[in-house]
Amino acid sequence: ETGVTQTPRHLVMGMTNKKSLKCEQHLGHNAMYWYKQSAKKPLELMFVYSLEERVENNSVPSRFSPECPNSSHLFLHLHTLQPEDSALYLCASSQDFEGDTQYFGPGTRLTVL
Amino acid sequence: GQQLNQSPQSMFIQEGEDVSMNCTSSSIFNTWLWYKQDPGEGPVLLIALYKAGELTSNGRLTAQFGTTRKDSFLNISASIPSDVGIYFCAGPHPSGTYKYIFGTGTRLKVLA
Repeated sequence: ETGVTQTPRHLVMGMTNKKSLKCEQHLGHNAMYWYKQSAKKPLELMFVYSLEERVENNSVPSRFSPECPNSSHLFLHLHTLQPEDSALYLCASSQDFEGDTQYFGPGTRLTVL
Repeated sequence: GQQLNQSPQSMFIQEGEDVSMNCTSSSIFNTWLWYKQDPGEGPVLLIALYKAGELTSNGRLTAQFGTTRKDSFLNISASIPSDVGIYFCAGPHPSGTYKYIFGTGTRLKVLA
């Protein structure tokens, strides 16, 4: 059972495609996060939203575009990705963004051909 | 940059054995978290530690917040096959509380 859901769980896309990843949290949290997890590397923070406002863009290329329409939903829009962008993309949420414990979704396994 | 080093990187154990792993930092942390990640899934929080010296259990898992605040330990007693996975330590970055730093992970495999 998880309070954070992500769809799709798997995605294969070409470099010219446009796709979106969706995250939804059912925990009543105010902060949401996108992480990238590549093989044999620690989790990399990409974006942080608090109360629907972006508070962090961790030097992420513009081909990744986040959107947070409300405190329960977070999207990651993808366009013109590169093969090296293939990874597990994880969404997380926390009560507030200042040090609260983060809870993760199951992730979207992305493969860019 | 700030890094959390976990040891061992991987381990193979027999079912029923106890497991110990640790996480070390060059900086002081005020919170230590331990997560487990199953293959193809997101990390699941196991234990959170908020005070130096704190010892907290969750079933067969026990974690300790090191007294120097630069390390933490996770023990699993009487391992079972479903303990297989990657165990990560994590904590808020010393310079920004919402920026979590994750360890490199300890990959555990249990032989039945």
